[in-house]
Amino acid sequence: QKEVEQDPGPLSVPEGAIVSLNCTYSNSAFQYFMWYRQYSRKGPELLMYTYSSGNKEDGRFTAQVDKSSKYISLFIRDSQPSDSATYLCAMSVGRADKLIFGTGTRLQVFP
Amino acid sequence: DAGVIQSPRHEVTEMGQEVTLRCKPISGHDYLFWYRQTMMRGLELLIYFNNNVPIDDSGMPEDRFSAKMPNASFSTLKIQPSEPRDSAVYFCASSSALGQPIQNIQYFGAGTRLSVL
Repeated sequence: QKEVEQDPGPLSVPEGAIVSLNCTYSNSAFQYFMWYRQYSRKGPELLMYTYSSGNKEDGRFTAQVDKSSKYISLFIRDSQPSDSATYLCAMSVGRADKLIFGTGTRLQVFP
Repeated sequence: DAGVIQSPRHEVTEMGQEVTLRCKPISGHDYLFWYRQTMMRGLELLIYFNNNVPIDDSGMPEDRFSAKMPNASFSTLKIQPSEPRDSAVYFCASSSALGQPIQNIQYFGAGTRLSVL
């Protein structure tokens, strides 16, 4: 079993929809949680990060962490075609530890 | 800053040949990471350096893979001899604790797409 599990998709939604992307993990020691966005033929870029449990909002994006369920989510409101990309979750135990990535969920937002 | 720079962007080679991938991290960053990405396995950490010293190479798949960082602005990942199963996209990333709320925010290059025939 992988430490971090992520549904590969693809997830296809119409423009304006609310998108929910999720990851589950097995290591209860993870404390730092990140979401990276990767456009086709590009490197991943950091979208959001959170520490421990709770919510964090940045514009149309909201990241949630539920440590009791070992489950993290990324919500995208009013999705746009430009949001079409692969979204990877990543997490680590300590502040300076290596990141463990999920395999990524491919999202397609059609006009 | 130009970001993390990788070369070449694409590499096509034949089985058995030596392959060298190159990376220039963001200036001032003291961590450098090499990853491999495939559809089946996702993004896998191969090795990472701190201040040019290898810290964790547990992800290097076998002795055919080697990585060096001779100075703070350059690193190489070498595969010798290459095999078809090495075909993947290889990413380099760098990070720094300076000015960051957490240390492990990594900045990725555009990757090298390797095809071994």
